Amino acid sequence: QKEVEQDPGPLSVPEGAIVSLNCTYSNSAFQYFMWYRQYSRKGPELLMYTYSSGNKEDGRFTAQVDKSSKYISLFIRDSQPSDSATYLCAMGDNRKLIWGLGTSLGVNP
Amino acid sequence: NAGVTQTPKFQVLKTGQSMTLQCAQDMNHEYMSWYRQDPGMGLRLIHYSVGAGITDQGEVPNGYNVSRSTTEDFPLRLLSAAPSQTSVYFCASSSRVGYGYTFGSGTRLTVV
Repeated sequence: QKEVEQDPGPLSVPEGAIVSLNCTYSNSAFQYFMWYRQYSRKGPELLMYTYSSGNKEDGRFTAQVDKSSKYISLFIRDSQPSDSATYLCAMGDNRKLIWGLGTSLGVNP
Repeated sequence: NAGVTQTPKFQVLKTGQSMTLQCAQDMNHEYMSWYRQDPGMGLRLIHYSVGAGITDQGEVPNGYNVSRSTTEDFPLRLLSAAPSQTSVYFCASSSRVGYGYTFGSGTRLTVV
């Protein structure tokens, strides 16, 4: 079993839809949880960062961490064509960071 | 503020050649790392450094060397290129391993 599991998609939604992206993990010691967005032929960029559990909101983006279920989510409200990208989850502790494989998202105008 | 700068952006090597991928950051980050990204494999850690003079191996270190003589620079050396090293290479930095990373724009390497 991989330490982090992420459905690769692809996920295709119409413009304006609410998007839910998820990752599960197995290591209960993880404390740091992140979401990155990667456009084609670009480097990943940090979208959301959460320490421990709970929710964090930034504009149209909301990150949730449920440590009891070992499950993290990224919600995108009012999705736009410019949100079309691959979304990577990453999580870890003070020693290491483990990456999901990424979910490819397409938002259709 | 340039962030993380990687050079070159593209490179084609012949099998057996050596080369150095450059990485520089201007954020005074202590932690720097090199990843390779391959389809279906995700980001895999090659080498990392927690400060000047300190480096360690990641998940896939074979065929690569690194050094960290300054806080700003973290070059990655391919000793004898092989077709299996065809990949996109990313350098990333952070103030510490648990914090958010800033990535460079990547180097697309093809070994023929």
